[in-house]
Amino acid sequence: DARVTQTPRHKVTEMGQEVTMRCQPILGHNTVFWYRQTMMQGLELLAYFRNRAPLDDSGMPKDRFSAEMPDATLATLKIQPSEPRDSAVYFCASGLRGTGELFFGEGSRLTVL
Amino acid sequence: RKEVEQDPGPFNVPEGATVAFNCTYSNSASQSFFWYRQDCRKEPKLLMSVYSSGNEDGRFTAQLNRASQYISLLIRDSKLSDSATYLCVVPLGGTASKLTFGTGTRLQVTL
Repeated sequence: DARVTQTPRHKVTEMGQEVTMRCQPILGHNTVFWYRQTMMQGLELLAYFRNRAPLDDSGMPKDRFSAEMPDATLATLKIQPSEPRDSAVYFCASGLRGTGELFFGEGSRLTVL
Repeated sequence: RKEVEQDPGPFNVPEGATVAFNCTYSNSASQSFFWYRQDCRKEPKLLMSVYSSGNEDGRFTAQLNRASQYISLLIRDSKLSDSATYLCVVPLGGTASKLTFGTGTRLQVTL
């Protein structure tokens, strides 16, 4: 049963530390999205890729966040340095362009103290 | 105006009731729309796609009103298991690839 895999599932860290979240999209999917979810803001789009190329990362704070796809099986989201306001659930999702159906990972719950 | 807006609810309805949610969008060029369902502390999952003629799947009906720029989701004969947050999704951006979620509408079905 194909699924999107995210690691870590939970992360507690201190302010100022670097955080890296990883995502393995479903094999064959050509779009990958990173979303952040908080109670106040809902699901915010941070960045997305098509065929590993970044298409839009306008939702991401550029000074501290970076997103990459070093290969088709791995997407990363890095926060450096982390801040308490980054505490949220970060979801990775993959899909096929044009279908509108995204398959989400179970999310990475980040707490920055 | 936000790109995608939803009433956050919660909508508290008794089992068996009919309930409807709306979602308004700002980009008149959007062609297709989607409803996702998210259970508490879980990931969102696709519920229905919405194209020009709307869509019906069992107790769920999704409709599109282009003139007023909103989509709706109707749930008939509500079940306890329908309790969840319902998120509407609108593809935005020049290539309509930027799948943008509304903040969601929470539904609580009670006995």
